[in-house]
Amino acid sequence: GAGVSQSPSNKVTEKGKDVELRCDPISGHTALYWYRQSLGQGLEFLIYFQGNSAPDKSGLPSDRFSAERTGGSVSTLTIQRTQQEDSAVYLCASSAQAGNTEAFFGQGTRLTVV
Amino acid sequence: KQEVTQIPAALSVPEGENLVLNCSFTDSAIYNLQWFRQDPGKGLTSLLLIQSSQREQTSGRLNASLDKSSGRSTLYIAASQPGDSATYLCAGQGISGTYKYIFGTGTRLKVLA
Repeated sequence: GAGVSQSPSNKVTEKGKDVELRCDPISGHTALYWYRQSLGQGLEFLIYFQGNSAPDKSGLPSDRFSAERTGGSVSTLTIQRTQQEDSAVYLCASSAQAGNTEAFFGQGTRLTVV
Repeated sequence: KQEVTQIPAALSVPEGENLVLNCSFTDSAIYNLQWFRQDPGKGLTSLLLIQSSQREQTSGRLNASLDKSSGRSTLYIAASQPGDSATYLCAGQGISGTYKYIFGTGTRLKVLA
């Protein structure tokens, strides 16, 4: 595709349910990043992939959060047993390689936990 | 802990003014620095990337500079227009030896017609 694609664009879920957020990076981009932006807050780093491996997952807030990337392309961020504090916009970005190349962001998934 | 700070936090200017947005970071060991804009309810749009060997980048009315030794980057917007109204974010990559981007707190810009 022409840009980074994220789905769904909006997700409302009940507290305690699991959710999956999907990111489709720009074709050929090897690096992929997940960020979270809470209302009125800055961007919080979650995890970074190089190919299928995640050299840095230091930003995942708890063990309820996990992410995977298969085939060096699509990535899925999974949040188990969602809590209200998980409500935020989840943003994905990709770049041609890690380090020194331009990063491009998707439009984000707005997650609301009720 | 590495921090990226942007000043001012908010700015309101009349159309046509030239303006400067500032970004400072605490660790000069970064690979590159990228400027983005974010419109309300939207994702981030890349504006300019200054790679590790560069000190400046220009695109149209935008010019960004990077001084690693002082830990500063500036984004210069010439002849501002109402369509420039957005939040501007700077992000340093590779701070603390990792490839993750560390984002600044952002500058909310409003250009008045």
